[in-house]
Amino acid sequence: DTEVTQTPKHLVMGMTNKKSLKCEQHMGHRAMYWYKQKAKKPPELMFVYSYEKLSINESVPSRFSPECPNSSLLNLHLHALQPEDSALYLCASSRRGDNQPQHFGDGTRLSIL
Amino acid sequence: TQLLEQSPQFLSIQEGENLTVYCNSSSVFSSLQWYRQEPGEGPVLLVTVVTGGEVKKLKRLTFQFGDARKDSSLHITAAQPGDTGLYLCAGTNAGGTSYGKLTFGQGTILTVHP
Repeated sequence: DTEVTQTPKHLVMGMTNKKSLKCEQHMGHRAMYWYKQKAKKPPELMFVYSYEKLSINESVPSRFSPECPNSSLLNLHLHALQPEDSALYLCASSRRGDNQPQHFGDGTRLSIL
Repeated sequence: TQLLEQSPQFLSIQEGENLTVYCNSSSVFSSLQWYRQEPGEGPVLLVTVVTGGEVKKLKRLTFQFGDARKDSSLHITAAQPGDTGLYLCAGTNAGGTSYGKLTFGQGTILTVHP
């Protein structure tokens, strides 16, 4: 079982819908990440939070809005997505510090109709 | 921009064969991490190598970090069907504006046939 929990596992939404992806970890990690992954490709970094503050935004379109309400939770709010946004969205967490490995959740499989 | 070239992209072998996956870069990394991802799951960390020339073994898997910390390899001995998956190498750099970022290779899709 993964120590990073993501919900929902699957999500189908229309282009006008608003939905949120949730991620939770209880390992005391203070760095949390959102990635987008297309089939058979490596994950692409979207956002990094450090101590609940956004530290990296990889020029992600504003239709993706991250939120870190506390040290254990990470949300990704979705609005007016496009079909090309269909992908696996992965959350990860790590300790702060150099060379720390990232612990990934099993992702949310998102399909945009 | 740092890049990690991972090869081969695809590997289809029979059970019992040996294989090696390579990750190469012109840049120095402070560490190299190897992950395996199975369908429907997130990547799972296999190992982190930090010191140039370091060799780590995990059962039938042997990981090596190049002396100059620009390349790494993963060798699997006597592959089994359970080794099937997407293998990812990822480099890290200490501190600076790239803190927290993993630079991923393109991945190797390994299929081990019974």
